[in-house]
Amino acid sequence: ETGVTQSPTHLIKTRGQQVTLRCSSQSGHNTVSWYQQALGQGPQFIFQYYREEENGRGNFPPRFSGLQFPNYSSELNVNALELDDSALYLCASSPGQGGLTNEKLFFGSGTQLSVL
Amino acid sequence: AQKVTQAQTEISVVEKEDVTLDCVYETRDTTYYLFWYKQPPSGELVFLIRRNSFDEQNEISGRYSWNFQKSTSSFNFTITASQVVDSAVYFCALRASNTGKLIFGQGTTLQVKP
Repeated sequence: ETGVTQSPTHLIKTRGQQVTLRCSSQSGHNTVSWYQQALGQGPQFIFQYYREEENGRGNFPPRFSGLQFPNYSSELNVNALELDDSALYLCASSPGQGGLTNEKLFFGSGTQLSVL
Repeated sequence: AQKVTQAQTEISVVEKEDVTLDCVYETRDTTYYLFWYKQPPSGELVFLIRRNSFDEQNEISGRYSWNFQKSTSSFNFTITASQVVDSAVYFCALRASNTGKLIFGQGTTLQVKP
């Protein structure tokens, strides 16, 4: 069984640039969510996709956007990067209907984004 | 508002000691779910335990046990006979019944020394 995989592992960008992060969910999982984890903090919910539609969003500006594809893989796009966007971005997948129960999330190892 | 508080920022113990990680949560929902995750240096969050709000039975799973008390809104996690491999950051998280998002605490860094 393949777990959640994210790419790239590390990324360095300049303020104002755009970035795309990718996530392949665990086999059989149709829900994917993204979290931002700043250094020394707990992960913060960005948004969630279920069957290719966004079905939940945290307190992040519109320049954070996403996609989920028919194979349930996902992308996180961030436009107009700011210094504060530097963080570990974690992708998680789950098998149920958008994680509306006690089902656990399966996390990838994340993409470490540095904005200079 | 929903919130999770882990008051312990860092804990250091010697191998074989028992250690308890504290978690206090806030929610107005009557149905909710609580989780503990472990984050080793590799970055991946690893699921440890979960509990539904309507089930206050405390359980033991191997060296792990948890104490869920609705009256005090606490969901504490205990590692018995700690090992060096337990060294990691531990997160407590809350999920309301009508949303998929997890609300995480700030995390507790556990260092187990040989």
